[in-house]
Amino acid sequence: QQPVQSPQAVILREGEDAVINCSSSKALYSVHWYRQKHGEAPVFLMILLKGGEQKGHEKISASFNEKKQQSSLYLTASQLSYSGTYFCGTETPTSGTYKYIFGTGTRLKVLA
Amino acid sequence: GAVVSQHPSRVICKSGTSVKIECRSLDFQATTMFWYRQFPKQSLMLMATSNEGSKATYEQGVEKDKFLINHASLTLSTLTVTSAHPEDSSFYICSAHRGWTEAFFGQGTRLTVV
Repeated sequence: QQPVQSPQAVILREGEDAVINCSSSKALYSVHWYRQKHGEAPVFLMILLKGGEQKGHEKISASFNEKKQQSSLYLTASQLSYSGTYFCGTETPTSGTYKYIFGTGTRLKVLA
Repeated sequence: GAVVSQHPSRVICKSGTSVKIECRSLDFQATTMFWYRQFPKQSLMLMATSNEGSKATYEQGVEKDKFLINHASLTLSTLTVTSAHPEDSSFYICSAHRGWTEAFFGQGTRLTVV
């Protein structure tokens, strides 16, 4: 089952902040965040490996609550280039190996 | 950074024909590659997990006889859409994982079946 992301879509003005949430019904071992521009492949943003871990990448940071099986992506002082669809990706163990499943996606549009 | 090359980027084929899509990790060995399908404005849906030297693991609902996956080497996985039909038209993306840290995606293949 896919992790559920919220909100489904958000429109911001340049300089505004946004939070994107990713919630899974299964145990998470890691969470990856990606941004996809229209017609292009997703681009890796960051990975969070431990429960409670937080990471930052320029003005984009994320947190991972392993117990709640949730992760959040924080976009600060958004720029036009932040527009795109954001996906969380989760690693799910299965039959001695693992697979990566993507969340439902959040469409973000930043307006000038 | 690591690069994954996917080819072709765009293909148009006639109904009933087969199409092969290649996914290569150019500067690292990927024991596992993943194949995804994406419909417009939707998320990437995992189709199968491709493991080097063994049979691919398909997700529920994905026809393994229709979507043939071969992972012949540590740097190459192929997806063949057999007897393609218009409903197979979609954006197909592969990814390769280097260790446990990053996923690298191919450029994607836009398949149109006419």
